[in-house]
Amino acid sequence: EVQLVESGGGLVQPGGSLRLSCAASGFTFSSYWMSWVRQAPGKGLEWVANIRKDGGEKYYVDSVKGRFTISRDNAESSLYLQINSLRAEDTAVYYCARDYPAAYSYAHDYWGQGTLVSVSS
Amino acid sequence: IQVTQSPSFLSASVGDRVTITCRASQDISSYLAWYQQKPGKAPKLLFYLASTLQSGVPSRFSGSGSGTEFTLTISSLQPEDFATYYCQQFKASPYGFGQGTKLEIK
Repeated sequence: EVQLVESGGGLVQPGGSLRLSCAASGFTFSSYWMSWVRQAPGKGLEWVANIRKDGGEKYYVDSVKGRFTISRDNAESSLYLQINSLRAEDTAVYYCARDYPAAYSYAHDYWGQGTLVSVSS
Repeated sequence: IQVTQSPSFLSASVGDRVTITCRASQDISSYLAWYQQKPGKAPKLLFYLASTLQSGVPSRFSGSGSGTEFTLTISSLQPEDFATYYCQQFKASPYGFGQGTKLEIK
């Protein structure tokens, strides 16, 4: 069974940092692109970033470029999102999602339960 | 690439046929996915490549379109279908979502 479990969210002050983690199981993690998607409270979905299966390519939405860094550890089947210089508008539930099919990105077929990041003083 | 969904809200009854439209600001071929999201839950994939039904999704759901205009149709609404629906383009990064369509019970 495919499982994605996020962790690392919490309350942080503006300008602060957090590292989100996503533990993957039930599939060959190193064969898939992986993404982060966020959802502000009461708002729609926003794609944030994705990373190629070997970590060699990374893409970001403009609003997070230079502040967020996506990375992965295939040996640990884990995906990460380092978020720096946090702003109030970064407050959201952050989802880890698998890109589908293997080696491509046509959809996100599995999602984690999400981890809440709240930015407030 | 901007993705625009319509309508933003839709009120319908059990048994109704409903259609949601997604328009892309440029040609995205068939690189479009549809999701269903219920409150407090992660999105669920319904379709990828515009019309390929994800395993386990009921056949009352259908997806169509290519280029810049796409539709999601539910042929006969069931109580469990009342949710928010999103489209997402996968032609080019960033893989933006539509703003969502909230389907409510009339």
